[in-house]
Amino acid sequence: AQSVTQLDSQVPVFEEAPVELRCNYSSSVSVYLFWYVQYPNQGLQLLLKYLSGSTLVKGINGFEAEFNKSQTSFHLRKPSVHISDTAEYFCAVSEWAAGNKLTFGGGTRVLVKP
Amino acid sequence: NAGVTQTPKFQVLKTGQSMTLQCAQDMNHNSMYWYRQDPGMGLRLIYYSASEGTTDKGEVPNGYNVSRLNKREFSLRLESAAPSQTSVYFCASTWDRAGNNEQFFGPGTRLTVL
Repeated sequence: AQSVTQLDSQVPVFEEAPVELRCNYSSSVSVYLFWYVQYPNQGLQLLLKYLSGSTLVKGINGFEAEFNKSQTSFHLRKPSVHISDTAEYFCAVSEWAAGNKLTFGGGTRVLVKP
Repeated sequence: NAGVTQTPKFQVLKTGQSMTLQCAQDMNHNSMYWYRQDPGMGLRLIYYSASEGTTDKGEVPNGYNVSRLNKREFSLRLESAAPSQTSVYFCASTWDRAGNNEQFFGPGTRLTVL
C-alpha cells in the first residue's frame, strides 16, 4: 500500500520569502505525484503533477516541484510567496495501473505574513 | 460550466439520523469519488465509481453507502450518523480511471453529527 508523509504541518513565511514544502511517499510500484492547493473554505485544485520525464515540474502561480526517485520525495517550492498563497497544500500519489485513487498526505498549512 | 457541485454546503445531524449528500458534475467525466477531510489526516477515499454503473470501496467505507445515479450524479448516504462522521466531505471527478488524470473537486459539505 502507498503512503504519503508531509513533514511539516504548518509553515509560517514572510511575504516575498521563499518556501519549501516537503513530501515523501512510500510505494512498491511506480507512482504519479500531485500537489493540490486548498484555499480557505474551498475545494482542492491542482497545482502541478509529475507523470514522467523531466524531474522538475512547473505548475501554476509560480510553484515548482522536484521528483527524486532515490529519496522518494516530491518537494514543492516557490521562490517568492505572496499573501494570496496562504492556503493548505496537499501532496498526493496514485499508483500506475491501479486506477485513479489518490492517497493524500496530511497537508501543510502555509501562512504568509506581511 | 459549473464543474463539480455539492449539496448541501452545511448540515447538522443528531446521532442516528440519516442523510444523503449530493454531487453532480457537468464535465462528462466517467469517474467520480467521495473523500472525507479531517484535520491532520488529509483526504481519505470513502467510495469511488470508475464508470457509470460501478462502485467500489475506498480506504474508509464503513458507515457509508453510495449510488451512481447516472453519469453526472454520485450520492453518498449516511444511514445512521455517528459523531465520528463529523467531517468535511468532498466529491471529485475525472475523465477515467487512468492514474495520471487530474481530479476536479467540489466545494465540500461540512457535516456535524451531535
